[in-house]
Amino acid sequence: GQNIDQPTEMTATEGAIVQINCTYQTSGFNGLFWYQQHAGEAPTFLSYNVLDGLEEKGRFSSFLSRSKGYSYLLLKELQMKDSASYLCAGFDRGSTLGRLYFGRGTQLTVWP
Amino acid sequence: DTGVSQDPRHKITKRGQNVTFRCDPISEHNRLYWYRQTLGQGPEFLTYFQNEAQLEKSRLLSDRFSAERPKGSFSTLEIQRTEQGDSAMYLCASSSQNSGRTGNTIYFGEGSWLTVV
Repeated sequence: GQNIDQPTEMTATEGAIVQINCTYQTSGFNGLFWYQQHAGEAPTFLSYNVLDGLEEKGRFSSFLSRSKGYSYLLLKELQMKDSASYLCAGFDRGSTLGRLYFGRGTQLTVWP
Repeated sequence: DTGVSQDPRHKITKRGQNVTFRCDPISEHNRLYWYRQTLGQGPEFLTYFQNEAQLEKSRLLSDRFSAERPKGSFSTLEIQRTEQGDSAMYLCASSSQNSGRTGNTIYFGEGSWLTVV
């Protein structure tokens, strides 16, 4: 299985940049997802990294280092609507069916 | 809207009653998942279907839980003799068995909230 670890809470101000870190321990790792989840709503897909390096998608970027078991989600030009929980999830190669193991989520609060 | 849809969105039931949730995946997706999420936690995997076959079940899925996907399209999750500990959001998700990196992306529905009183 996987042990996904990420900070519980983070705060930042509007217009700033924030980096949310995620570490994992797995012998069957096969990719890492980031999801955004607003309170009471379902997770929304943000990014998927399977190779090392940075993937940029608009204001959001995600980085993966497989050798270090480390990923981060970078949010630029923060907006109030970015206040949400950000979930890091590992994709288990050992499960041929694509089981995701989620961390507890990082609750990001963006202040004006 | 062609996303994953779930019904009902909210359900309040008395302890001991049975409840059933329905999920309609994205139409071209052949993989369907059920997850459960409680407050302050990330989603936890319950079970998975590829077409109509249920190929994996979590140990979290006790005998009171049963899931079906009879025609490989929509799925139902039934909880029998509900307990207060079953109160959670039940998330359905789907993905396609395509080659390439995007084929593994799992898309979630809006969830079905269950409150057992």
